[in-house]
Amino acid sequence: LAKTTQPISMDSYEGQEVNITCSHNNIATNDYITWYQQFPSQGPRFIIQGYKTKVTNEVASLFIPADRKSSTLSLPRVSLSDTAVYYCLVGRYNQGGKLIFGQGTELSVKP
Amino acid sequence: EAGVAQSPRYKIIEKRQSVAFWCNPISGHATLYWYQQILGQGPKLLIQFQNNGVVDDSQLPKDRFSAERLKGVDSTLKIQPAKLEDSAVYLCASSRDQGNTEAFFGQGTRLTVV
Repeated sequence: LAKTTQPISMDSYEGQEVNITCSHNNIATNDYITWYQQFPSQGPRFIIQGYKTKVTNEVASLFIPADRKSSTLSLPRVSLSDTAVYYCLVGRYNQGGKLIFGQGTELSVKP
Repeated sequence: EAGVAQSPRYKIIEKRQSVAFWCNPISGHATLYWYQQILGQGPKLLIQFQNNGVVDDSQLPKDRFSAERLKGVDSTLKIQPAKLEDSAVYLCASSRDQGNTEAFFGQGTRLTVV
């Protein structure tokens, strides 16, 4: 399984765009990149998944460069309610695929 | 659709006692996961089921932890005997199948071992 590296913590202010980058240098050809969000006292929640280039949904955008050795989760115009821990997962999600979480990035949004 | 249900929400036990957690996944989800999350850390995968078969239990401390998923639906995770370091939140999650990265998590059971 590819190892992921993320910043331990980030601070932001309401209304700003937040970009969280995840490094995964030994990502395999068949691996996908998935991001989860976790609020205090709750289980993680799926945000977005991608393989290459850019993926966008109602919550976030995911940017993946051509070499796929990193990915960036972009949260537009954050609010206080976006304060959470964000996890980057990399893995081959087919037969035998597993969801392995790392340390995550603790995002704190201030007023 | 109903989410992943877990019970109990909280449990306090003394060390060396036993405890069991229950999980009811989303209907139709073939894959079920149990995670242990210690305060300040990411969830650690303990065991993964595909229907009623074990896909991975490499991180499960088998001398004290056991899990089963009879009939491929509900699952129970047991700890016997508990140690102080087992204090954590135990999360259950399910997904449609192994190839699906979108897993749905329950609210977890917070275990305190004193």
